[in-house]
Amino acid sequence: EVQLVESGGGLVQPGGSLRLSCVASGFILSTYDMHWVRQGTGKNLEWVSVTGTAGDKYYTDSVKGRFTISRDNAKNSLYLQMNSLRAEDTAVYYCAREDRGGAYMDVWGKGTTVTVSS
Amino acid sequence: DIQMTQSPSTLSASVGDRVTITCRASQSITSQLAWYQQKPGKAPKLLIYKASSLKSGVPSRFSGSGSGTEFTLTISSLQPDDFATYYCQQYNKYSLTFGGGTKVEIK
Repeated sequence: EVQLVESGGGLVQPGGSLRLSCVASGFILSTYDMHWVRQGTGKNLEWVSVTGTAGDKYYTDSVKGRFTISRDNAKNSLYLQMNSLRAEDTAVYYCAREDRGGAYMDVWGKGTTVTVSS
Repeated sequence: DIQMTQSPSTLSASVGDRVTITCRASQSITSQLAWYQQKPGKAPKLLIYKASSLKSGVPSRFSGSGSGTEFTLTISSLQPDDFATYYCQQYNKYSLTFGGGTKVEIK
């Protein structure tokens, strides 16, 4: 079964750091572009970042310079290192696989919750 | 960034109704639009890609149309399992952007 499982969320103070992980099963992560998407409580979906199979990476403007996306193909895993966290980063973070036909997401994890608060 | 505007934000309907949701892009995105369904506490689920292509396994009562800047998602006969929030997403250009969502409620 194709599956994504996120972990690493939690409560962190403003200015702190957190590293999210996403383990893939049922497919080879290295052969897909992979995304992080977040959703604040009661809010809209917001795309955060993507890492392509060629090593290219893109970020939404609000996280540039603070978040870093990476992958460990040997562990079939995707990561999101989040530094200098702000209250507005509070959200459920989803790991998602990009379909081969374009930058839309055909497989999603269940999400991990990040809360930035003092 | 390309702005995606969905309407209505909330829609009240009954089982069996035909439902149409609109998504407008701030500039042309050709046919690079996807639709997702999300239920409370769950991850989004892909329904339609390339504006009108139905993902395998998605019921045929769902359909999408449009190109350029205006798109629609239609549910031909609303079923109890369809009460959820629906989002459009453009993938023409980074940053990828989502519409604000349309909540389909029971009338």
